[in-house]
Amino acid sequence: AQTVTQSQPEMSVQEAETVTLSCTYDTSESDYYLFWYKQPPSRQMILVIRQEAYKQQNATENRFSVNFQKAAKSFSLKISDSQLGDAAMYFCAYHSGGGADGLTFGKGTHLIIQP
Amino acid sequence: GAVVSQHPSWVICKSGTSVKIECRSLDFQATTMFWYRQFPKQSLMLMATSNEGSKATYEQGVEKDKFLINHASLTLSTLTVTSAHPEDSSFYICSARDTASTQETQYFGPGTRLLVL
Repeated sequence: AQTVTQSQPEMSVQEAETVTLSCTYDTSESDYYLFWYKQPPSRQMILVIRQEAYKQQNATENRFSVNFQKAAKSFSLKISDSQLGDAAMYFCAYHSGGGADGLTFGKGTHLIIQP
Repeated sequence: GAVVSQHPSWVICKSGTSVKIECRSLDFQATTMFWYRQFPKQSLMLMATSNEGSKATYEQGVEKDKFLINHASLTLSTLTVTSAHPEDSSFYICSARDTASTQETQYFGPGTRLLVL
């Protein structure tokens, strides 16, 4: 079974600064997807960024980018120019490629933005 | 973007009663939907995979007779918590997989807070 590990229960960053959230995973598969989801206090899950394992290029979405290290099974999220609205729980998630499977989530990182 | 709704958003019920939660994909068809449960300050745990026109598949440790899932159409899946007890109090979230999309993405509903007294 796949596992996803987020070793940072909480992170704090000053507004406008950059922060990196860590995620590692364990799998024996070669085809899979990785995601970062944001869950604000409303608890609505919001997709931040997606990475296909077969793509070597790191995904980026505006201020959000990932550092995908397939051999190390690492998938960190970098948030640049942090904004107050970025404060939320961030979950790293794994999806097995080629199948209609659910997501396996990490335990989450609570991100605090200091004004 | 794709929108998934859930109803109700909040439900309080007495112990021993049954509660039905609906999950709808509003602007796309979803052959597959998923039900997750999230306890306070914890992560999402997959409960079951809901397949249109066939039986749901449940994760290990999830009682299929307690959590009844019906996926009668390409846009609607329902989760019924039967004979609910206080330990079933949780946040239930559904997600839907866009059948027509080439990108593997699940769209999440806003969740349902269940409180069993």
